[in-house]
This record gives sequence, structure tokens and C-alpha cells, in this order.
Amino acid sequence: EVQLVESGGGLVQPGRSLKLSCVASGFTFSNYGMNWIRQAPGKGLEWVAYISSGSSFIHYAGAVKGRFTISRDNAKNTLYLQMTSLRSEDTALYFCARRGAAISTSYFDYWGQGVIVTVSS
Amino acid sequence: DIQLTQSPSSMSASLGDRVSLTCQSSQGIGNYLSWYQHKPGKPPKPMIYYATNLADGVPSRFSGSRSGSDYSLTISSLESEDIAIYYCLQYDEYPYTFGAGTKLELK
Repeated sequence: EVQLVESGGGLVQPGRSLKLSCVASGFTFSNYGMNWIRQAPGKGLEWVAYISSGSSFIHYAGAVKGRFTISRDNAKNTLYLQMTSLRSEDTALYFCARRGAAISTSYFDYWGQGVIVTVSS
Repeated sequence: DIQLTQSPSSMSASLGDRVSLTCQSSQGIGNYLSWYQHKPGKPPKPMIYYATNLADGVPSRFSGSRSGSDYSLTISSLESEDIAIYYCLQYDEYPYTFGAGTKLELK
């Protein structure tokens, strides 16, 4: 059974940093691209960042480029999101999600339960 | 960035109704469109991928279609468990983008 479990969320002051983790199980993590997606309170879904299976390709949403860093450790089956210079508008529920392997199935096929990040003084 | 426009933003329907939700893309994305069902306290659940394909475990009352840059999600006979917010997602190119969602409620 595919499982994705996020951790590392919490309350943080504006301008500070936070690092999220997502531990994967039930599939060969090193074969799949991974993503972070977030949902601010009362808002819709927003894609945040992508990393390819071997970390060769990385993409960011404009709203987080230069502040967030996505990375992965395939030996530990773990995906990360290092968030710096946090702003109140980064307050959201953060999901990690697997990208399907084939081109036609490269949508988000499995999601974690999400972790809450609150940026407030 | 590719913009996806979902309509309506909300709608109410009765049990057993046929319901259609629409997602229009601002530029060509081929069939690289998926639909998600999102209920409070749960992660989004994939329903349709590659515009017309049913995701694993999704009931056959759900279907997806495409006409040019317009994509639709149809529920042939609405059930109470279908009440949720539905999002479309384009995965043709990064940045991947979601529509704003359609909130489906019971009449």
C-alpha cells in the first residue's frame, strides 16, 4: 500500500524557516517524481514544487521561488521542503504527492494527509 | 502560466441528478488534465486522468470528456458521497495549475 506521511509543520514567525519531511512507503521511491502542494485556509489547491526521481529536474511556483528548496534522499525514502523567509501567505496545509510514472499518468496519483504550517507573530 | 477556469464555482443538485462540471484551459494542454475530489479533512482523491480515464477505484458513474480546450467531469447519478469540491489540474507543463474548484452541494 502506497503511503506518504508528512511531518515538520507548526507555528513559525514571519521571516523564519521551517523544514517539512515526507516519508514514503509501499513503492520504489527512487523511481518517481515528487511534489509539494498546499492549500491556504479557505482557498483552493496550489502546486508548490516538483523534483524528479533522481533530483535532476526541479521546478518551483513563482510564489516560492528563491525562498523554498525541494530535495530528496532516496536512501531514506524521504522528500523535503526547506522553507525560508516565511510569510503569512505561506500559511497552509502542505501535501506531498507522488507523480505518476508514465507521461499520460504524470498527475498526482497518491497524496499524503498533509501537515499544517502557520506563519504568525 | 496555463490558467484553468472552472464553472460553475458552486452548484446544488438532488440525489440521482446528472451533474456536469466544466474546466476550460487558457491554452492547449492536449489530454493532460485530471480531476480531483476533495472532502474536508482528507487529501484530494484522483477521479479522472488523461481527460477521460477513470482512476483506480472510482465508481463508473463518473466520466470525463474533452471538447477542444473544454473539459468536463460528469456524474451520471449523484450520490450523497459525491458531495465535495472538485478541482481540475493540468499536467501538460510546469508550473502545474489547478482550477479554482467547483463546490457541489445537495439541494
